[in-house]
Amino acid sequence: ETGVTQTPRHLVMGMTNKKSLKCEQHLGHNAMYWYKQSAKKPLELMFVYSLEERVENNSVPSRFSPECPNSSHLFLHLHTLQPEDSALYLCASSQVGAASGANVLTFGAGSRLTVL
Amino acid sequence: GQNIDQPTEMTATEGAIVQINCTYQTSGFNGLFWYQQHAGEAPTFLSYNVLDGLEEKGRFSSFLSRSKGYSYLLLKELQMKDSASYLCAVVEGNYQLIWGAGTKLIIKP
Repeated sequence: ETGVTQTPRHLVMGMTNKKSLKCEQHLGHNAMYWYKQSAKKPLELMFVYSLEERVENNSVPSRFSPECPNSSHLFLHLHTLQPEDSALYLCASSQVGAASGANVLTFGAGSRLTVL
Repeated sequence: GQNIDQPTEMTATEGAIVQINCTYQTSGFNGLFWYQQHAGEAPTFLSYNVLDGLEEKGRFSSFLSRSKGYSYLLLKELQMKDSASYLCAVVEGNYQLIWGAGTKLIIKP
């Protein structure tokens, strides 16, 4: 496995379900991110884990809960979601403090979530 | 407020040249990224500009003018595989990227 892998690629869930999205990076990066991508809208940063620190977008509802057990794995736990949460959820990783100065994100292919 | 503007959709012909513009108004600036995203796939890194001027990488070039809050991505010798969305993003802080909504580029034979 190389790069950033996300599972599942597709998920359909009811509003009362609990599910989790998983992300794994094989790049040795020290930061991982969750983004939400909705059609024709800008990418929305949800959560960042970098160097043991968690940074979050305060506008993200509490029905989304991240977990980062180590620098290679990232989860997004979902519960009691709403239909408007249907979107593509992208995981990314980067090397913060890289010599190039550019914090280049490497993205996974995403998990397409549909909430019924 | 913070704002990134780029055209929603553009159409170009195989073999031609196309320029995708991005204008921005942000409270901070630490660089500007361009990413390419094919339908159903991950966004992939194309370029990063932090100083004014043109950066060339093969068929793709990216230009930045910080005083004008303006960047463009120039694609030459267009190929069908260049059909994708192109995302512009401004770096505001360590982690905060302000993203445009993306430009969908359609290449016709």
